[in-house]
Amino acid sequence: QQPVQSPQAVILREGEDAVINCSSSKALYSVHWYRQKHGEAPVFLMILLKGGEQKGHEKISASFNEKKQQSSLYLTASQLSYSGTYFCGTGGGDRGSTLGRLYFGRGTQLTVWP
Amino acid sequence: DVKVTQSSRYLVKRTGEKVFLECVQDMDHENMFWYRQDPGLGLRLIYFSYDVKMKEKGDIPEGYSVSREKKERFSLILESASTNQTSMYLCASRRGLGTRRFIEQFFGPGTRLTVL
Repeated sequence: QQPVQSPQAVILREGEDAVINCSSSKALYSVHWYRQKHGEAPVFLMILLKGGEQKGHEKISASFNEKKQQSSLYLTASQLSYSGTYFCGTGGGDRGSTLGRLYFGRGTQLTVWP
Repeated sequence: DVKVTQSSRYLVKRTGEKVFLECVQDMDHENMFWYRQDPGLGLRLIYFSYDVKMKEKGDIPEGYSVSREKKERFSLILESASTNQTSMYLCASRRGLGTRRFIEQFFGPGTRLTVL
């Protein structure tokens, strides 16, 4: 049930945009996005719930298409501080999800150069 | 301020030793999790607990056990450490399921365990 993230890695110049995708083979109720900077713990960015809502966090936004079981994270006008590994975590209708667990993808490593 | 602490940042153990990793949260959270993080494999769930004394296996429970005797503390136990358990171990916690079912997890700083 691990979601698939793409791409595995992205290299950007400051000010460029990026999109990170997360897709699942199972029906999803929620998608969570986290960012982990090198040597630090993952930090929560946002949650998207079933219903196609879109959310934003600074210049980072995301969409959730539950019919396609996909979510995308949009990083606009990237800054040096955006560098890190981005993880999506998904929750569905299985027992584990109803008890509170998430299934995390393998991560997308984003590097922003000046 | 929300806080999840782990007993050690770095730990070196010998093969066959019994290893205890401790995690404490001060947010009165019902749910606690232990993950293993290896390069290219993401965050893999070992075990989680949704209440005191309650535990559920995650995706890679083999070789591990857990204990949750108090709400704020969740321990991961490696019964007989092996070299393939060398990894970064992350603990996390979150509020239990209620009206807001799907809410964020707060992570600790991690313990980098090396088994020689």
